[in-house]
Amino acid sequence: AQKITQTQPGMFVQEKEAVTLDCTYDTSDPSYGLFWYKQPSSGEMIFLIYQGSYDQQNATEGRYSLNFQKARKSANLVISASQLGDSAMYFCAMREPKTSYDKVIFGPGTSLSVIP
Amino acid sequence: NAGVTQTPKFQVLKTGQSMTLQCAQDMNHNSMYWYRQDPGMGLRLIYYSASEGTTDKGEVPNGYNVSRLNKREFSLRLESAAPSQTSVYFCASSERLQLNTEAFFGQGTRLTVV
Repeated sequence: AQKITQTQPGMFVQEKEAVTLDCTYDTSDPSYGLFWYKQPSSGEMIFLIYQGSYDQQNATEGRYSLNFQKARKSANLVISASQLGDSAMYFCAMREPKTSYDKVIFGPGTSLSVIP
Repeated sequence: NAGVTQTPKFQVLKTGQSMTLQCAQDMNHNSMYWYRQDPGMGLRLIYYSASEGTTDKGEVPNGYNVSRLNKREFSLRLESAAPSQTSVYFCASSERLQLNTEAFFGQGTRLTVV
C-alpha cells in the first residue's frame, strides 16, 4: 500500500536561509509521481513542484527544488532564500495512476515558520 | 476560469443530520477525489473516482458515500453526521493516467458537527 511520511511536524528557518523539508514514501510500483503542495493560512492548496519516478534529474521550480533519492525513497523539498510568505503547511503527495484506479495520497505535512 | 468548485463553504450540522457536499470541475478531468483534513493528519483520502461511473474507497471511507454523477460532478454524502466528521473537506480533480499532472483543489468546506 502507498504511504507518505513527513517526520518534521514543525520547522523554523531564518529569512533568506535555505530549508529542507523531508518526505519519504513507500510504494512497490515502478511508475509514480511525487508532488509538493503549499497550504498558507488562508487554506488553499497550491501546487509547487513535481518529480516523476523515471526522471533522471531533480526537479526545480524557481526557489523550489526537489532532492530525489529513488533508492532511499525520499523526495525532500528544498526552499532556497526563504521569505516571510513561505510560512505555511507543506504537504508531500504521491500518485500511482493505473488503468483501473488513480489514487493520490498525502503525508501529514510540515508546518514551516520563517523568522524575520 | 472556475477550476474546482465546492459548495457549501461552511456548514454546521447536528449529530444525526445528513448532508451532501457538492463538487464540480470544468477542466474535463477524469479523476476526482474527496479528502478530509484534520490537524496533524494531513489530507486523508475518503473516496476517489478514476472515471465517470466508477468510485473507490480511499483511506477513511467509513460514514461517507459518494456519487460520480457525470464527468464534471462528484458529490460526498454524510448520511448520519457524527462529531468525528467535523473537518475541512477538499475536493480535487486531475487528468487520469498522466503521471506528471497535479491535482487541482477546490477551496474547501469547513464542516462542524455538534
